[in-house]
Amino acid sequence: EVQLVESGGGLVKPGGSLRLSCAASGFTFSSNSMSWVRQAPGKGLEWVSSLSSTSSYIYYADSVKGRFTISRDNAKNSLFLQMDSLRAEDTAVYYCARESSSLVYIVDWGQGTLVTVSS
Amino acid sequence: DIVLTQSPATLSLSPGERATLSCRASQSVSGYLGWYQQKPGQAPRLLIYDASNRATGIPARFSGSGAGTDFTLTISSLEPEDFAVYYCQHRRNWGLTFGGGTKVELK
Repeated sequence: EVQLVESGGGLVKPGGSLRLSCAASGFTFSSNSMSWVRQAPGKGLEWVSSLSSTSSYIYYADSVKGRFTISRDNAKNSLFLQMDSLRAEDTAVYYCARESSSLVYIVDWGQGTLVTVSS
Repeated sequence: DIVLTQSPATLSLSPGERATLSCRASQSVSGYLGWYQQKPGQAPRLLIYDASNRATGIPARFSGSGAGTDFTLTISSLEPEDFAVYYCQHRRNWGLTFGGGTKVELK
């Protein structure tokens, strides 16, 4: 069974930093591209960032480019999102997500971790 | 950038009725369109990929159709557990894009 377990969310002040982690199990993590997708309270889904299996390709949404950094440790089956210069509009539930082999869809999602940016 | 527009925003129906949800792309996405279901407090779940293929474990009452810029998700006969928010999604060259969602609510 595929499991994606996020951690690291919490309350942070504007301008602060936070590092999210995602522990993966139940599949060959090193063979899969991974993404982070967020959802602001009461709003829709917003893609944040994607990372290929070997970290060769990294993509960011314009809204987070230059502030967020995605990375992975294939030896530890872990995905990370370093979030710096946080803004109120970054407040959301952040989902760790496994991409399909076709790299087009999200086939598995974590339960999400809430990040709240507020003074 | 490709924009996905879903309609209607809300669909009020009763169990047993047919639900028809629309997703329109601002330019052709060929057949690379997915549909997700999200229930309150839960992560989304992939229902349909490549416009018309059901994901693993998805009941046959869910079907997808369309190509190019116009796509439809149909739920043939609503079950109580189908009342949720539905999102369409496409992958651009370098990132994912989602529609704004359609809420299927109990009438």
